[in-house]
Amino acid sequence: DSGVTQTPKHLITATGQRVTLRCSPRSGDLSVYWYQQSLDQGLQFLIQYYNGEERAKGNILERFSAQQFPDLHSELNLSSLELGDSALYFCASSPLTSTDTQYFGPGTRLTVL
Amino acid sequence: QKEVEQDPGPLSVPEGAIVSLNCTYSNSAFQYFMWYRQYSRKGPELLMYTYSSGNKEDGRFTAQVDKSSKYISLFIRDSQPSDSATYLCAMSAWGQNFVFGPGTRLSVLP
Repeated sequence: DSGVTQTPKHLITATGQRVTLRCSPRSGDLSVYWYQQSLDQGLQFLIQYYNGEERAKGNILERFSAQQFPDLHSELNLSSLELGDSALYFCASSPLTSTDTQYFGPGTRLTVL
Repeated sequence: QKEVEQDPGPLSVPEGAIVSLNCTYSNSAFQYFMWYRQYSRKGPELLMYTYSSGNKEDGRFTAQVDKSSKYISLFIRDSQPSDSATYLCAMSAWGQNFVFGPGTRLSVLP
C-alpha cells in the first residue's frame, strides 16, 4: 500500500458527461501528480500541483482541469467526455519537488460509453 | 525519436532466470531514474530510485545507469512467477517532471 488513495475505483459514464476523480496524497506529501494511462499510450503526465498551486502541465486537454485543496487532496475534473477518454487515471504524490520519488495510488478506471 | 524507449515485450523467461530490462533515452540532462512494477490494472509500485550513474542493489533487484550511453537497466535475479508484471522506467532532469517509458511486459513461467 503506497499510502495514496483514489476514489472512485471505477466510473462508467456517457459521452458528454462530466466526472470528478479524487486523490488523497501520502501523509506529508505536498506534490500531487495526475497521469492518464490508456492501452496504446502508456503513462501520460497530465498536471502537477504543489502545496495548492499548479506547478507543471503536461498533455492535459482543455476539457480537463484539476485543483489541490488546502488539506492537500486533489480533484481531477473531466468534462464533455469522449469515448477516447476511457482510461486509467492515476494520482501520485511526492514530498516536495518533481524529482522526488513518486508514489502512485491504485487508480480510477474510467469507462465512457 | 521518443524521449524514452523500452522494448515492449512481452518477455517470457523460466522461473529462476536472470532478467534484464532496459531503457534508452535521448535527453542527456536526465539524472534521476526510477523503475516501477505494475501489475495488471493496478497502480505502479516503486522498485528503485537512483541518481546519476552507477549501480544500486535491493534484494533481487539491481538498477544500473550508464549516462554516457544514455542507457539504464534493471536486473532481476532468481525471477519468480510473482515478478510477472509490466516494468516501467522513468527519468527526469532537475526541476523537470518524470518521463515514463512505455513499459516492458514480463512473464516468468513456473
